[in-house]
Amino acid sequence: TQLLEQSPQFLSIQEGENLTVYCNSSSVFSSLQWYRQEPGEGPVLLVTVVTGGEVKKLKRLTFQFGDARKDSSLHITAAQPGDTGLYLCAGVPQTGANNLFFGTGTRLTVIP
Amino acid sequence: NAGVTQTPKFRILKIGQSMTLQCTQDMNHNYMYWYRQDPGMGLKLIYYSVGAGITDKGEVPNGYNVSRSTTEDFPLRLELAAPSQTSVYFCASSYSSRRSSGNTIYFGEGSWLTVV
Repeated sequence: TQLLEQSPQFLSIQEGENLTVYCNSSSVFSSLQWYRQEPGEGPVLLVTVVTGGEVKKLKRLTFQFGDARKDSSLHITAAQPGDTGLYLCAGVPQTGANNLFFGTGTRLTVIP
Repeated sequence: NAGVTQTPKFRILKIGQSMTLQCTQDMNHNYMYWYRQDPGMGLKLIYYSVGAGITDKGEVPNGYNVSRSTTEDFPLRLELAAPSQTSVYFCASSYSSRRSSGNTIYFGEGSWLTVV
């Protein structure tokens, strides 16, 4: 059973386009994080959201935590080839194990 | 700072062999983790440790063992390698794992293990 489901699994877009990646669960999370992973490297933290409804912006990336703290989205404006990579959401469930559970990942390719 | 360092980077094992993946961090973090990442899947937690002398099972602990004799080191041992253990393994560490704080986890570069 996958605690966090991401969609789409794969996404290939042209440079300059906008895109949104979704991270959904039936569980409530104390906090939710987004990571970006490049080939041959470990994931690198992009952002942490902790409050329901919270929106954080990181240059062209906008992250939102759902009001019920069960889901999150990542929106990229005017995608660039440098945005290519594997995007992972991860969360600490509000109850149960005090560990970080990762989503299934979205592999983004931005074509020049 | 070196951060989280894991070795080896690549390894090929025969079925039934044993090996240890080494992991060390120089950030004085209390928490350390071992994850595995299979193709097309997210990271799965194998074992974690909240401090020296304390270890706990994660989602997929079967076939693995860990120890935490020091704050810095958290080796992962495979006793009888099986093809299902072919994966990329990531060691990670964080200062804390408080539920509401959203702690930052730092990852190593990964170890590619193939069992044939």
